[in-house]
Amino acid sequence: KNQVEQSPQSLIILEGKNCTLQCNYTVSPFSNLRWYKQDTGRGPVSLTIMTFSENTKSNGRYTATLDADTKQSSLHITASQLSDSASYICVVSAGEYGNKLVFGAGTILRVKS
Amino acid sequence: DTEVTQTPKHLVMGMTNKKSLKCEQHMGHRAMYWYKQKAKKPPELMFVYSYEKLSINESVPSRFSPECPNSSLLNLHLHALQPEDSALYLCASSQVRLAGGALIHEQFFGPGTRLTVL
Repeated sequence: KNQVEQSPQSLIILEGKNCTLQCNYTVSPFSNLRWYKQDTGRGPVSLTIMTFSENTKSNGRYTATLDADTKQSSLHITASQLSDSASYICVVSAGEYGNKLVFGAGTILRVKS
Repeated sequence: DTEVTQTPKHLVMGMTNKKSLKCEQHMGHRAMYWYKQKAKKPPELMFVYSYEKLSINESVPSRFSPECPNSSLLNLHLHALQPEDSALYLCASSQVRLAGGALIHEQFFGPGTRLTVL
């Protein structure tokens, strides 16, 4: 069964600190892995997309890693800001063309001042 | 134009009402999606349209009726809904592109419609 598991479920950090979110998946056939940021009541916004041949990708203060052998990914946020408070969702694309998305439950991040 | 728009932002309806949610994109994407998202849960896929034809229906109750009038528009017609249908309804569109030696569907989400059924 295709599954994506994220940890921790929620996280509170102080502004300016770094944090790392984890994602483990069992999805076959694997096409690509994405990290989305979703503000409350809004649609998800893509942060990074990685295929099996990519093991790291950055987008500003966000850096995602992918280990296709262990089926693990992480999202590292550097120098957190209050606006980083959101749900971060790991999504793995399955299928030949990757158009079937398997969503993780998300990690709720709260950045405090 | 690099965004997916959805209207209305909020909708409150009774169980006997008929309403429609609208989604629009002008990025030339040929695949469009409807998702339902309950609070603190990930989005659940409802329907996929590919080249204006319904390609995936995830066993959604018939009180939800999708429609794709053209390649830029996607509607979701609602009729006789139940209170448990209250949720955030997300529309997405996707393009296929080559990345890292693989073809990927890159999905772009709209801001959603917050639906409350009384």
